Amino acid sequence: KNEVEQSPQNLTAQEGEFITINCSYSVGISALHWLQQHPGGGIVSLFMLSSGKKKHGRLIATINIQEKHSSLHITASHPRDSAVYICAVISGGGSQGNLIFGKGTKLSVKP
Amino acid sequence: NAGVMQNPRHLVRRRGQEARLRCSPMKGHSHVYWYRQLPEEGLKFMVYLQKENIIDESGMPKERFSAEFPKEGPSILRIQQVVRGDSAAYFCASSPGLTGGNTIYFGEGSWLTVV
Repeated sequence: KNEVEQSPQNLTAQEGEFITINCSYSVGISALHWLQQHPGGGIVSLFMLSSGKKKHGRLIATINIQEKHSSLHITASHPRDSAVYICAVISGGGSQGNLIFGKGTKLSVKP
Repeated sequence: NAGVMQNPRHLVRRRGQEARLRCSPMKGHSHVYWYRQLPEEGLKFMVYLQKENIIDESGMPKERFSAEFPKEGPSILRIQQVVRGDSAAYFCASSPGLTGGNTIYFGEGSWLTVV
């Protein structure tokens, strides 16, 4: 079993829909990252969380440390949101940057 | 402020050759990380470096792979005697020192193809 599990693996949505991507992890962590990887391959860091909730534009990330679970929400989705979204954690004993990655959720938003 | 710069973006090597991938961190960043993404697999941590020091190399293969981040110049990931299984995307990332928080900024990646 992977230490970081994401669901769903693939997600297709219509433009304007509200999207939720889930991430569960089995290790104690010091921080969790949400990343976006575009078809060209480049990776952008969206959020870094250690507790609570963060919002940036149409993106919202939440984390529940007790339940070892995080969610990434996209409101009013748009075709340009189509990408792979990756959850990654730094384990409590790991060094900064020693990320454990989920396999990613491939999102496709149709116009 | 330029982002994390990686070069080359694409590199083709024959089996047995050496591959050198370079990474220039964002200005003011003293921490560099390398990750590998094998085809159809997720990203894996390889190594974490600060200037002239390897902090964590727990993800580096034991043989043929090395990394450095010299006092001057970019960080370099070196793969000796490449094999087909080394074909992957290699991503570099950087962050400020610990006092600057640990948000990580990624480069665009270097795609290595071994033929």
